[in-house]
Amino acid sequence: DIQMTQSPSTLSASVGDRVTITCRASQSISSWLAWYQQKPGKAPKLLIYEASSLESGVPSRFSGSGSGTEFTLIISSLQPDDVATYYCQQHNSYPWTFGQGTKVEIK
Amino acid sequence: QVQLQESGPGLVKPSETLSLTCTVSGDSVTTISYYWSWIRQPPGTGLEWIGYIYYTGSTNYNPSLKSRVTISVDTSKNQFSLKLSSVTAADTALYYCARVPGGYGYFDYWGQGTLVTVSS
Repeated sequence: DIQMTQSPSTLSASVGDRVTITCRASQSISSWLAWYQQKPGKAPKLLIYEASSLESGVPSRFSGSGSGTEFTLIISSLQPDDVATYYCQQHNSYPWTFGQGTKVEIK
Repeated sequence: QVQLQESGPGLVKPSETLSLTCTVSGDSVTTISYYWSWIRQPPGTGLEWIGYIYYTGSTNYNPSLKSRVTISVDTSKNQFSLKLSSVTAADTALYYCARVPGGYGYFDYWGQGTLVTVSS
């Protein structure tokens, strides 16, 4: 199985800050990576697919980049509504696997 | 508006079979472009992909669960279902159903999730 490792596990930032979350794959997954946002008590919501494609309706402050084994999710200006746990997921090979999550808090 | 809704017992005894159904509205499970999947999330932890089904009945399962999992589809009811046999406490989780565009492997629509507890 491809292991997905996110860092940091938790981050605390101020409103308006630029936030970066990293996801590393244990082997190359080309650009087959998705990012999700999960708020407490809710299902995950797709933000980014194929590493950098923004899902329809997702605010443009979210962006994704990377290929191979290293990927980043950037929130360009953190908003209170962005408090959530963020997960990466590889869809390059079976079984599809997720990172352990990054919890984003407001300082 | 695509909506998915999980249903099924919230409590299952150890060694028994967990059975859940996902009802799809706003789309058809026979749409050529989509696969239909199950994902679970143990309390307070991360996400695990269980498997998917295509409307033809073709399936793909996570090897970690393959020996115990069956996913089926009922096109007449626009539903797909999950059966997980010989459950233990480790199978206690929130179970989500989700749509997979074009078999690409990411999940664009999710159900709200249903908590299944394995306990005697």
